[in-house]
Amino acid sequence: DAGITQSPRHKVTETGTPVTLRCHQTENHRYMYWYRQDPGHGLRLIHYSYGVKDTDKGEVSDGYSVSRSKTEDFLLTLESATSSQTSVYFCAIRRDRGPTGELFFGEGSRLTVL
Amino acid sequence: GQQVMQIPQYQHVQEGEDFTTYCNSSTTLSNIQWYKQRPGGHPVFLIQLVKSGEVKKQKRLTFQFGEAKKNSSLHITATQTTDVGTYFCAGRRGGTGFQKLVFGTGTRLLVSP
Repeated sequence: DAGITQSPRHKVTETGTPVTLRCHQTENHRYMYWYRQDPGHGLRLIHYSYGVKDTDKGEVSDGYSVSRSKTEDFLLTLESATSSQTSVYFCAIRRDRGPTGELFFGEGSRLTVL
Repeated sequence: GQQVMQIPQYQHVQEGEDFTTYCNSSTTLSNIQWYKQRPGGHPVFLIQLVKSGEVKKQKRLTFQFGEAKKNSSLHITATQTTDVGTYFCAGRRGGTGFQKLVFGTGTRLLVSP
């Protein structure tokens, strides 16, 4: 357990509404990631962060924005949710001093956009 | 961009049978990691391979990294119901600077008792 908490764990919303998912870590690691998981696509990187206010795009960043104002929190925002953004979203961290650079994942946030 | 494919997408075996999933990258990788995700759970790291031709074992699981560092495999001997889940490989390209981890499409394993 790497002390990662995602909220909310489940959310149902309507098309066009804004949605923010929160990832909180207790160990103050630099690298944090947001992935989405869809059948047949595995895990795809949306955005990642390598420090406070330092973020970059992943492979499926369109329609998403992120913010990291504190080391412990990484927020993922859908400005105007669409049905194609229905997915399970996972936050992950990479421990700064880990020997292999493996990722530790949160429990996931299931988002349904109607 | 870098792509990582896994085959098969899904496999259903009887308990005691062996299982293998294969991972293929379009580019040479500096290392490859394997994760397991139980149904309804989150991915959990299993192992990392770094060297060309490397083979590592964890009890009934055998992991292999290809000589060209573009493919990998995970073999489970005598599957058990506890092996049920989706197995993902994930690779990083070589080179300087930050390299993102690219996940494969996953292989879902179902084991019947």
